[in-house]
Amino acid sequence: RKEVEQDPGPFNVPEGATVAFNCTYSNSASQSFFWYRQDCRKEPKLLMSVYSSGNEDGRFTAQLNRASQYISLLIRDSKLSDSATYLCGLGGPGYALNFGKGTSLLVTP
Amino acid sequence: DAGVIQSPRHEVTEMGQEVTLRCKPISGHDYLFWYRQTMMRGLELLIYFNNNVPIDDSGMPEDRFSAKMPNASFSTLKIQPSEPRDSAVYFCASSLAGELFFGEGSRLTVL
Repeated sequence: RKEVEQDPGPFNVPEGATVAFNCTYSNSASQSFFWYRQDCRKEPKLLMSVYSSGNEDGRFTAQLNRASQYISLLIRDSKLSDSATYLCGLGGPGYALNFGKGTSLLVTP
Repeated sequence: DAGVIQSPRHEVTEMGQEVTLRCKPISGHDYLFWYRQTMMRGLELLIYFNNNVPIDDSGMPEDRFSAKMPNASFSTLKIQPSEPRDSAVYFCASSLAGELFFGEGSRLTVL
């Protein structure tokens, strides 16, 4: 079983919709959690960190559920520009991150 | 400020040839990571360094792959000999024990 799993999608949603992705992990020793965004043929860029208490940044909300070993990303009022692949990254005792394969989101007019 | 700089951006080579990918991390960052991304396997960690010292190379596929970091501002990933299954995008990233900043990647095609 892969350490970090994501539904590859694609998730096709209309503009203005709310969409949520989950990312499950198997290593209970994971200590840090992140969501990265990757546009087509570009490098991943940090979208937001995920804190134990959950955190919100504008239209984006990230949550961590340690008991069930998953993190989630909620996007409200989707924009066309949100179309991208969303990668979850998990860190262990070192600072290297293990990434999921990503979830593809396509927001349509 | 300049981000992580990788070269070459694209490389096409023939099976059996040596490939060298280069990376200049963000100045002041003490961690450097090499990742490989393919459709099948996603983004895989190959090796990472802390203060120029390799910390974990368990992700390096096999002896054909080697990485060095001779100083704080330069790292190389070498594949010798290259094989078609090495075709991928190779990303270098650096950090200061936090957010990873990725370079634009080196797209390698081995024919």
